[in-house]
Amino acid sequence: ILNVEQSPQSLHVQEGDSTNFTCSFPSSNFYALHWYRWETAKSPEALFVMTLNGDEKKKGRISATLNTKEGYSYLYIKGSQPEDSATYLCAHSNAGNMLTFGGGTRLMVKP
Amino acid sequence: EAQVTQNPRYLITVTGKKLTVTCSQNMNHEYMSWYRQDPGLGLRQIYYSMNVEVTDKGDVPEGYKVSRKEKRNFPLILESPSPNQTSLYFCASSSLTGTSYEQYFGPGTRLTVT
Repeated sequence: ILNVEQSPQSLHVQEGDSTNFTCSFPSSNFYALHWYRWETAKSPEALFVMTLNGDEKKKGRISATLNTKEGYSYLYIKGSQPEDSATYLCAHSNAGNMLTFGGGTRLMVKP
Repeated sequence: EAQVTQNPRYLITVTGKKLTVTCSQNMNHEYMSWYRQDPGLGLRQIYYSMNVEVTDKGDVPEGYKVSRKEKRNFPLILESPSPNQTSLYFCASSSLTGTSYEQYFGPGTRLTVT
């Protein structure tokens, strides 16, 4: 079973702080790396899907980078807001389209 | 509205009583998948399907069956549910064309097996 790990498991920050979390994955048999945002009592929503080494994607204050050679991706949030509070999930997909999720990073932003 | 629907949303049942959780998407997606979410274990893939009549096992397929007879539907079948299948289940779909592959998740089905 592929091991996708996320760190930290949880994170408390103040409103306005910038923050980042890590997703690490085995670099062999790589096809795509997904990031999802999961609010309590809702369903996960896609943020980014990255396929190429060196990919960088941005959506508003959130951005992500990908290093497939060393097997990691970073998610950055600039100027965190209380509405950013959620669990952020990354997932690795292989060429056969099987997805393996990490355990998630739970972010809490205090006003 | 583009969406993935699941039914039922909540279900309490007893050990051994066969049940089916339905999943339907209206986006003409080729790929559909089932996950279970358990505390401390994250989302784990049960089965996935890349198109009609094509299904594959994920990480935790034991005790589950699926079928993909139509592109829009991907039901999850528990022939003989057991208490260790008590969980929150999500269905998801995505397109396999282009380069996006982002998954659209259904609202979840909370299953309790007593």
